[in-house]
Amino acid sequence: AQTVTQSQPEMSVQEAETVTLSCTYDTSESDYYLFWYKQPPSRQMILVIRQEAYKQQNATENRFSVNFQKAAKSFSLKISDSQLGDAAMYFCAYRSATDKLIFGTGTRLQVFP
Amino acid sequence: GAVVSQHPSWVICKSGTSVKIECRSLDFQATTMFWYRQFPKQSLMLMATSNEGSKATYEQGVEKDKFLINHASLTLSTLTVTSAHPEDSSFYICSALRPWAGGGEQYFGPGTRLTVT
Repeated sequence: AQTVTQSQPEMSVQEAETVTLSCTYDTSESDYYLFWYKQPPSRQMILVIRQEAYKQQNATENRFSVNFQKAAKSFSLKISDSQLGDAAMYFCAYRSATDKLIFGTGTRLQVFP
Repeated sequence: GAVVSQHPSWVICKSGTSVKIECRSLDFQATTMFWYRQFPKQSLMLMATSNEGSKATYEQGVEKDKFLINHASLTLSTLTVTSAHPEDSSFYICSALRPWAGGGEQYFGPGTRLTVT
């Protein structure tokens, strides 16, 4: 069965600095998708970034980028120029081409001014 | 981005009563919707997958007679918590699958906080 592991329950970063959140996953599938979701205090789940496994190029969305290492089954999220509004729970998620989302346990990110 | 709404956002009910939560995809048709439960400071736990016009598929350990799911149209799925008890108190989140090449993308509702007294 597929699993998603986030080994950092909490992380903190200074405003304007860079922080990296870790995620590893386990699968025997070759076709799958990886996601990072943000859940702020409002609890609304927001898609931050998506990576297709067949793409070698790492996805980027403005200040958010990923380091996708397929062989190592690693999918980390880098947040550059951190802002106070980035404070939230971040969930890494995996989905095969035809199945449901599997979430990691989450990382709580604090941003200090 | 696509919009998914949930109603109500917050509900309190007495033990033994039933409560219905609605999930609507406002700007796309969703043949598949998902219902999650989230306890404080924990991740989302998938309860069931709802497909329009057919019976929902429940995850292992989820009581289908307690958590009734109906997906009557391409834009509406409902979760009814029957004979609610305090242990059913939780945050319930729905998600609608928007089809696109590669299996689609899930858009999440804002969640419903259920408190059973």
